[in-house]
Amino acid sequence: DAGVTQSPTHLIKTRGQHVTLRCSPISGHKSVSWYQQVLGQGPQFIFQYYEKEERGRGNFPDRFSARQFPNYSSELNVNALLLGDSALYLCASSLALAGFYNEQFFGPGTRLTVL
Amino acid sequence: TQLLEQSPQFLSIQEGENLTVYCNSSSVFSSLQWYRQEPGEGPVLLVTVVTGGEVKKLKRLTFQFGDARKDSSLHITAAQPGDTGLYLCKATDKLIFGTGTRLQVFP
Repeated sequence: DAGVTQSPTHLIKTRGQHVTLRCSPISGHKSVSWYQQVLGQGPQFIFQYYEKEERGRGNFPDRFSARQFPNYSSELNVNALLLGDSALYLCASSLALAGFYNEQFFGPGTRLTVL
Repeated sequence: TQLLEQSPQFLSIQEGENLTVYCNSSSVFSSLQWYRQEPGEGPVLLVTVVTGGEVKKLKRLTFQFGDARKDSSLHITAAQPGDTGLYLCKATDKLIFGTGTRLQVFP
């Protein structure tokens, strides 16, 4: 079975532009979470979606938004890109809301570089 | 804001050495997970600890959850180059990751 897939793998944008990152969860998983990982640091939680509804949000500005589609895939959108948005963006899927009884499985990430 | 502080931040050792990584917080957690992340990949779950004082072993890796469920440790015996990676603790229900420990094991 395919794991979590993310596209694109790499992306280069300039300041002020907009970006859309995509994630396809493991088949049967209904929850998707997004994380931002700056080089050498631990991932920081951005959003969690379950059954197409936002169920959790981290401490990120309104420039960050996301949605989940009926097939449970998800998009992360970032507007007005800043240099500090350069990072690896990870998507994780789980059967239901992530927690002890629902393990998260991570994709390989999208490496975003903002110039 | 709840924080999970890991120490050390970096660790560079020779094959065969032992090491311990620590994950500390001022908050109590219902459960805590440890992940390993290799370059170009997402984190992969190693273990979940739930009960205060719990010890779990995974081959050469030993994980312990503190009695007060505020801290955890990961001990690796006889490290191998294949252990190289970024080790992350995570508060399971809060989706908060630790600051990370980058381990490099040289042959």
